[in-house]
Amino acid sequence: DAKTTQPTSMDCAEGRAANLPCNHSTISGNEYVYWYRQIHSQGPQYIIHGLKNNETNEMASLIITEDRKSSTLILPHATLRDTAVYYCIARANTPLVFGKGTRLSVIA
Amino acid sequence: EAEVAQSPRYKITEKSQAVAFWCDPISGHATLYWYRQILGQGPELLVQFQDESVVDDSQLPKDRFSAERLKGVDSTLKIQPAELGDSAMYLCASSLRFMNTEAFFGQGTRLTVV
Repeated sequence: DAKTTQPTSMDCAEGRAANLPCNHSTISGNEYVYWYRQIHSQGPQYIIHGLKNNETNEMASLIITEDRKSSTLILPHATLRDTAVYYCIARANTPLVFGKGTRLSVIA
Repeated sequence: EAEVAQSPRYKITEKSQAVAFWCDPISGHATLYWYRQILGQGPELLVQFQDESVVDDSQLPKDRFSAERLKGVDSTLKIQPAELGDSAMYLCASSLRFMNTEAFFGQGTRLTVV
C-alpha cells in the first residue's frame, strides 16, 4: 500500500470548513483513498473513500487531485464534535493500515 | 443502523491471567478484523478472517494470542497469559467483503493488565 503523509495537527474555528490534506505520491492505480476518524476512546469511524473522482456524502467531501498524488478531506461546517484524529489511508486489496493521522481540534 | 458489537467495553486483569474479547460483526459481513491500538498510536492489525478462515495472522503473537471465528459469524480473541505490555484497546471491524469496501469498527475493549 502507498504510504500517506498527513500533518500532525490542525486547528479549525467552529462553523468554518476544515480542510485536511493528505499526500500519497506513490499511490498505485488500483488503490483507493479512505478516510476514517477516531474520537477519543471510541473506535475509528468510516467517513468516505474514493478512487479518482471527487466524492461527497452527508459527512464530508473528498477531493482527489487529477494525478492522484494528494487529496483533501473537507468538513464543510466543523463543529466541536468533529474534534478527532483523522486518518488517510491508501488501500487496494489489503487491510486498512493506519498511520498517526492528523489531530483536528475544532475551537469555539 | 447496524453496528459491530464488542464486549466487554472495559477489562482489568492481572498479569498471567487469561482474558477473552468477543465481537459480533454487522450481519452479512464476511470479513472480520481484530486490531490492537496502543495509546497514542494508530490501530495495528492482529488478524483477518474471511468467513471462518484466517486470511492473515502474521502480526498475531501466537505464543499467547489466539483468535477464532468458528461459524463465520462472531469471533473471540484470547490472550493467555496476559502481560503488562498487552494493555491497549482491542478493536474489531467488519466489512461486507474484503476488496474495495469500507470496514466498520466497534467501540473496542479497553484492556488494562496490572
